[in-house]
Amino acid sequence: QVQLVESGGGVVQPGRSLRLSCAASKFTFSSYGIHWVRQAPGKGLEWVAVISSDGNDEYYADSVKGRFTISRDNSKNTLYLQMTSLKTEDSAVYYCAKARGSETPAADYWGQGTLVTVSS
Amino acid sequence: DIVMTQSPDSLAVSLGERATISCKSSQSVLYSSNNKNYLAWYQQKPGQPPKLLIYWASTRESGVPNRFSGSGSGTDFTLTISSLQAEDVAVYYCQQYYSTPQTFGPGTKVEIK
Repeated sequence: QVQLVESGGGVVQPGRSLRLSCAASKFTFSSYGIHWVRQAPGKGLEWVAVISSDGNDEYYADSVKGRFTISRDNSKNTLYLQMTSLKTEDSAVYYCAKARGSETPAADYWGQGTLVTVSS
Repeated sequence: DIVMTQSPDSLAVSLGERATISCKSSQSVLYSSNNKNYLAWYQQKPGQPPKLLIYWASTRESGVPNRFSGSGSGTDFTLTISSLQAEDVAVYYCQQYYSTPQTFGPGTKVEIK
């Protein structure tokens, strides 16, 4: 069964940086695009970013463009989200989610999420 | 950006009855070259990550009970639960993946009446 395990969340002050990781297993990581999706407490889902299977293409939500960077290391089966200039509105549970396929970007497997709290 | 809206915000349905959720996109998510609607539906139960139910607007994900069905095309879509079960209590989201940024609807909360 596909596994995605996020880590790296925590409490951080506004303006600081944080890097999230997503460790993948039990599927061919290098063959699939991966998303980051976030959910503020008690709110709906917000798509954050996606990276292609080979890491050559990245796309971002307007709310994080220029501040967040998605990357991956296919040799380590790991996805990353580097977050800089954090704002209080970035507080959320961050999920990594596997794209169903190259032609089907819908997310078919999700991790349990890691909580990021941006607060002074 | 494509804006997704859902209605109603919440609904309460008796066990065994039909639940219907509407999702509308601000522009068409139908890709003419392959005649596919780039729309998915997800279910999220409290304390859990979302679960993919439907993709391509009407293709049921493996393992999803056949009481869940998706329909619609272009800008108007529907998720139907034909006979509501207790385990279907959740928030349901539509999402377009036609263009980036991919966007979700605000969600519809389904409860038991």
